[in-house]
Amino acid sequence: ETGVTQSPTHLIKTRGQQVTLRCSSQSGHNTVSWYQQALGQGPQFIFQYYREEENGRGNFPPRFSGLQFPNYSSELNVNALELDDSALYLCASSFKGADGYTFGSGTRLTVV
Amino acid sequence: QKEVEQNSGPLSVPEGAIASLNCTYSDRGSQSFFWYRQYSGKSPELIMFIYSNGDKEDGRFTAQLNKASQYVSLLIRDSQPSDSATYLCAVGNNAGNMLTFGGGTRLMVKP
Repeated sequence: ETGVTQSPTHLIKTRGQQVTLRCSSQSGHNTVSWYQQALGQGPQFIFQYYREEENGRGNFPPRFSGLQFPNYSSELNVNALELDDSALYLCASSFKGADGYTFGSGTRLTVV
Repeated sequence: QKEVEQNSGPLSVPEGAIASLNCTYSDRGSQSFFWYRQYSGKSPELIMFIYSNGDKEDGRFTAQLNKASQYVSLLIRDSQPSDSATYLCAVGNNAGNMLTFGGGTRLMVKP
Protein backbone atom coordinates (compact mmCIF):
# COMPACT_ATOMS: atom_id res chain seq x y z
CA GLU A 1 0.00 0.00 0.00
CA THR A 2 1.53 3.31 -1.07
CA GLY A 3 1.10 6.44 0.99
CA VAL A 4 0.24 9.98 -0.11
CA THR A 5 2.89 11.40 -2.41
CA GLN A 6 3.36 15.06 -3.28
CA SER A 7 5.48 16.80 -5.85
CA PRO A 8 7.61 18.78 -6.01
CA THR A 9 9.11 18.74 -2.51
CA HIS A 10 10.46 22.27 -2.75
CA LEU A 11 9.69 25.16 -5.07
CA ILE A 12 10.80 28.77 -5.39
CA LYS A 13 8.61 31.16 -7.35
CA THR A 14 8.51 34.88 -7.98
CA ARG A 15 5.65 37.09 -6.82
CA GLY A 16 2.92 37.23 -9.47
CA GLN A 17 3.74 33.82 -10.97
CA GLN A 18 1.50 30.78 -11.01
CA VAL A 19 2.23 27.38 -9.45
CA THR A 20 0.79 23.87 -9.66
CA LEU A 21 1.30 21.35 -6.88
CA ARG A 22 0.48 17.67 -7.29
CA CYS A 23 -0.75 14.93 -5.00
CA SER A 24 -1.33 11.21 -5.42
CA SER A 25 -3.71 9.85 -2.83
CA GLN A 26 -3.16 6.70 -0.83
CA SER A 27 -4.45 3.53 -2.46
CA GLY A 28 -8.17 3.08 -1.74
CA HIS A 29 -8.71 6.71 -0.71
CA ASN A 30 -11.26 8.70 -2.71
CA THR A 31 -11.07 12.08 -0.97
CA VAL A 32 -8.25 14.61 -1.16
CA SER A 33 -7.89 17.71 1.00
CA TRP A 34 -5.36 20.50 0.75
CA TYR A 35 -3.98 22.47 3.69
CA GLN A 36 -1.61 25.42 3.97
CA GLN A 37 0.77 25.51 6.92
CA ALA A 38 2.69 28.72 7.55
CA LEU A 39 5.80 28.51 9.68
CA GLY A 40 4.99 28.03 13.36
CA GLN A 41 1.25 27.65 12.77
CA GLY A 42 -1.21 24.81 12.43
CA PRO A 43 -2.44 23.72 8.99
CA GLN A 44 -5.32 25.73 7.49
CA PHE A 45 -7.94 24.06 5.30
CA ILE A 46 -7.95 25.20 1.67
CA PHE A 47 -10.45 22.80 0.08
CA GLN A 48 -11.47 19.17 -0.31
CA TYR A 49 -12.24 17.16 -3.43
CA TYR A 50 -14.46 14.11 -3.59
CA ARG A 51 -15.42 12.35 -6.82
CA GLU A 52 -13.74 15.09 -8.85
CA GLU A 53 -15.86 17.87 -7.33
CA GLU A 54 -15.05 20.46 -4.72
CA ASN A 55 -16.57 19.32 -1.44
CA GLY A 56 -15.93 22.23 0.89
CA ARG A 57 -13.66 25.25 0.86
CA GLY A 58 -11.89 27.24 3.55
CA ASN A 59 -11.28 30.96 3.71
CA PHE A 60 -8.96 31.21 0.71
CA PRO A 61 -9.36 33.54 -2.31
CA PRO A 62 -10.41 32.24 -5.75
CA ARG A 63 -6.82 32.36 -7.00
CA PHE A 64 -6.45 29.09 -5.09
CA SER A 65 -8.09 26.43 -7.25
CA GLY A 66 -7.92 22.69 -7.57
CA LEU A 67 -8.72 19.58 -9.54
CA GLN A 68 -9.27 15.94 -8.78
CA PHE A 69 -8.77 13.32 -11.48
CA PRO A 70 -10.58 9.98 -12.00
CA ASN A 71 -7.69 8.14 -10.30
CA TYR A 72 -8.28 10.41 -7.25
CA SER A 73 -5.00 12.28 -7.66
CA SER A 74 -5.25 16.05 -7.30
CA GLU A 75 -3.68 19.37 -8.19
CA LEU A 76 -3.58 22.65 -6.32
CA ASN A 77 -3.13 25.74 -8.47
CA VAL A 78 -2.26 29.15 -7.11
CA ASN A 79 -2.33 32.19 -9.40
CA ALA A 80 -0.81 35.62 -8.86
CA LEU A 81 1.47 34.41 -6.08
CA GLU A 82 2.00 36.68 -3.10
CA LEU A 83 4.81 36.66 -0.56
CA ASP A 84 2.35 35.44 2.12
CA ASP A 85 1.70 32.31 0.05
CA SER A 86 5.09 31.04 1.21
CA ALA A 87 4.22 27.97 3.27
CA LEU A 88 4.18 24.20 3.45
CA TYR A 89 1.32 22.86 1.36
CA LEU A 90 -0.04 19.57 2.61
CA CYS A 91 -2.22 17.11 0.78
CA ALA A 92 -4.27 14.67 2.85
CA SER A 93 -6.24 11.72 1.58
CA SER A 94 -8.93 9.63 3.18
CA PHE A 95 -11.78 7.33 2.38
CA LYS A 96 -14.95 9.39 2.75
CA GLY A 97 -16.42 8.84 6.17
CA ALA A 98 -13.24 7.38 7.60
CA ASP A 99 -11.54 8.66 10.72
CA GLY A 100 -8.74 11.15 10.19
CA TYR A 101 -6.53 11.84 7.20
CA THR A 102 -3.17 10.60 5.95
CA PHE A 103 -0.93 13.51 5.07
CA GLY A 104 1.70 13.58 2.37
CA SER A 105 5.16 14.93 3.06
CA GLY A 106 4.22 18.34 1.70
CA THR A 107 5.53 20.88 -0.81
CA ARG A 108 7.56 23.76 0.60
CA LEU A 109 6.73 26.83 -1.51
CA THR A 110 8.83 29.96 -1.22
CA VAL A 111 7.66 33.12 -2.98
CA VAL A 112 10.31 35.79 -3.47
CA GLN B 1 -14.74 31.96 13.18
CA LYS B 2 -14.39 28.52 14.74
CA GLU B 3 -11.25 28.33 16.81
CA VAL B 4 -9.02 25.70 18.32
CA GLU B 5 -6.58 26.91 20.96
CA GLN B 6 -3.42 25.29 22.26
CA ASN B 7 -0.59 26.53 24.42
CA SER B 8 2.38 26.88 22.08
CA GLY B 9 4.87 25.72 24.73
CA PRO B 10 7.49 24.48 24.80
CA LEU B 11 6.34 21.94 27.35
CA SER B 12 9.41 20.32 28.85
CA VAL B 13 9.15 17.00 30.72
CA PRO B 14 11.82 14.53 31.90
CA GLU B 15 12.10 11.13 30.28
CA GLY B 16 9.65 8.67 31.83
CA ALA B 17 7.22 11.34 33.01
CA ILE B 18 3.64 11.94 31.89
CA ALA B 19 3.20 14.73 29.35
CA SER B 20 -0.20 16.45 29.36
CA LEU B 21 -1.24 18.42 26.29
CA ASN B 22 -4.42 20.48 26.26
CA CYS B 23 -6.73 21.96 23.66
CA THR B 24 -9.95 24.00 23.77
CA TYR B 25 -12.39 24.58 20.94
CA SER B 26 -15.10 27.12 20.32
CA ASP B 27 -17.71 25.22 18.26
CA ARG B 28 -19.98 23.48 20.77
CA GLY B 29 -21.45 21.35 17.98
CA SER B 30 -18.13 19.68 17.11
CA GLN B 31 -18.27 15.89 17.11
CA SER B 32 -14.82 14.61 16.11
CA PHE B 33 -11.44 15.35 17.61
CA PHE B 34 -7.97 14.37 16.49
CA TRP B 35 -4.41 14.52 17.75
CA TYR B 36 -1.56 14.72 15.26
CA ARG B 37 2.18 14.64 15.89
CA GLN B 38 4.50 16.67 13.68
CA TYR B 39 8.25 16.35 13.79
CA SER B 40 10.25 19.37 12.66
CA GLY B 41 10.25 19.61 8.86
CA LYS B 42 7.84 16.68 8.48
CA SER B 43 4.11 16.34 7.86
CA PRO B 44 1.48 15.67 10.56
CA GLU B 45 0.93 12.05 11.60
CA LEU B 46 -2.36 10.91 13.15
CA ILE B 47 -1.97 9.61 16.71
CA MET B 48 -5.54 9.25 17.91
CA PHE B 49 -9.11 10.32 17.35
CA ILE B 50 -11.96 10.53 19.85
CA TYR B 51 -15.67 11.12 19.44
CA SER B 52 -17.27 10.41 22.83
CA ASN B 53 -16.86 12.02 26.24
CA GLY B 54 -14.37 10.27 28.45
CA ASP B 55 -11.03 8.59 27.90
CA LYS B 56 -9.65 6.59 24.99
CA GLU B 57 -6.38 4.72 25.41
CA ASP B 58 -3.95 3.46 22.79
CA GLY B 59 -0.65 2.21 24.11
CA ARG B 60 1.15 5.04 25.92
CA PHE B 61 -1.38 7.61 24.65
CA THR B 62 -4.70 8.57 26.24
CA ALA B 63 -7.08 11.09 24.70
CA GLN B 64 -9.63 12.74 26.97
CA LEU B 65 -12.73 14.60 25.81
CA ASN B 66 -15.08 16.82 27.79
CA LYS B 67 -17.68 18.30 25.45
CA ALA B 68 -19.38 20.30 28.20
CA SER B 69 -16.13 22.15 28.87
CA GLN B 70 -15.13 22.07 25.16
CA TYR B 71 -11.80 20.58 26.15
CA VAL B 72 -9.64 17.83 24.68
CA SER B 73 -6.40 16.56 26.10
CA LEU B 74 -3.68 14.08 25.23
CA LEU B 75 -1.65 12.28 27.88
CA ILE B 76 1.61 10.59 26.96
CA ARG B 77 2.82 8.13 29.59
CA ASP B 78 6.47 7.11 29.99
CA SER B 79 7.57 9.98 27.72
CA GLN B 80 10.58 9.25 25.52
CA PRO B 81 12.99 11.68 23.82
CA SER B 82 11.56 10.42 20.52
CA ASP B 83 8.20 11.91 21.57
CA SER B 84 9.74 15.39 21.24
CA ALA B 85 7.66 17.02 18.51
CA THR B 86 4.80 19.47 17.97
CA TYR B 87 1.38 18.06 18.84
CA LEU B 88 -1.54 19.41 16.86
CA CYS B 89 -5.13 19.26 18.06
CA ALA B 90 -7.72 19.20 15.27
CA VAL B 91 -11.51 19.42 15.37
CA GLY B 92 -13.71 18.07 12.59
CA ASN B 93 -16.75 19.93 11.30
CA ASN B 94 -20.20 18.35 11.11
CA ALA B 95 -19.97 17.84 7.34
CA GLY B 96 -16.86 15.74 7.89
CA ASN B 97 -14.93 17.55 5.19
CA MET B 98 -12.71 19.88 7.16
CA LEU B 99 -10.37 19.88 10.12
CA THR B 100 -9.66 23.04 12.10
CA PHE B 101 -6.23 22.82 13.67
CA GLY B 102 -4.81 24.54 16.70
CA GLY B 103 -1.40 26.14 16.48
CA GLY B 104 0.27 23.16 18.15
CA THR B 105 2.17 22.57 21.38
CA ARG B 106 5.89 21.86 21.19
CA LEU B 107 6.87 19.04 23.53
CA MET B 108 10.45 18.49 24.63
CA VAL B 109 11.33 15.29 26.49
CA LYS B 110 14.70 15.58 28.19
CA PRO B 111 16.83 12.44 28.77
